[in-house]
Amino acid sequence: AQSVTQLGSHVSVSEGALVLLRCNYSSSVPPYLFWYVQYPNQGLQLLLKYTTGATLVKGINGFEAEFKKSETSFHLTKPSAHMSDAAEYFCAVSDQTGANNLFFGTGTRLTVIP
Amino acid sequence: GAVVSQHPSRVICKSGTSVKIECRSLDFQATTMFWYRQFPKQSLMLMATSNEGSKATYEQGVEKDKFLINHASLTLSTLTVTSAHPEDSSFYICSAKVPRTTDTQYFGPGTRLTVL
Repeated sequence: AQSVTQLGSHVSVSEGALVLLRCNYSSSVPPYLFWYVQYPNQGLQLLLKYTTGATLVKGINGFEAEFKKSETSFHLTKPSAHMSDAAEYFCAVSDQTGANNLFFGTGTRLTVIP
Repeated sequence: GAVVSQHPSRVICKSGTSVKIECRSLDFQATTMFWYRQFPKQSLMLMATSNEGSKATYEQGVEKDKFLINHASLTLSTLTVTSAHPEDSSFYICSAKVPRTTDTQYFGPGTRLTVL
C-alpha cells in the first residue's frame, strides 16, 4: 500500500524567500515520486519526478526536490519565491512495477506575499 | 508534447439528466487514461482506469453504472455521469499515460460539473 502525507495545508512565504513544501511517503516497494502544481480551475501540471538515479531532481520553474529514502521524504524547494508560484501543490507516489495508480497527498496551498 | 484536453470545461445541468465529458490526448496515443474527482479544497481521488478497447476498472466505492466510461479510441475517453444529482457536483480531471512509459501521467485541464 502507498500513501502520501503533506505537512501543512497552507504555506505562506514572502516574495524572494525560500519555498519549502514537505512530502513524506509510505510505500512497501521502491516508489516513483511526483510533484504537481494546480492553478485555480485548472488541471495538474507536472513539476518534477523521481524514478531512479540521482536523488536530487530539478524541475520546471526553478523547483527541485530531493528523494531521501532514509527519511521517506520528497520535499519540494525553490530558492526564491515568485508571485506566480502561488498555487496548490500536490505530491504523489506510485510504484515501480508499472502499476497505474497515483496516490496523491492532500495538497499544500502556497501563498506568496508581496 | 503530451497534451491532454477535456471538453467541456464547465457544465451546469439539471438533476436527473446525464452529462458526458470528453478527454483527448492531442499529440500521442493513450492506451490508458484515468478519471479523477476532486472536491473543493481536497485532493484528487482516482475513480477509474480506462483502457482502450476494454472495460474500465473502477475503484472501490465508485458506481460503474452511474459513471460510465468508454475508451473507444487511442485518443479519446469519455465519462458519462448518468442521472446526475447535486452530490455529483465536482471537478472531474482526466489523465493519460504516454505509451511505453511506466511513470508519468499527463493531466487535462478539468471539467467543473454543477448539478442543480
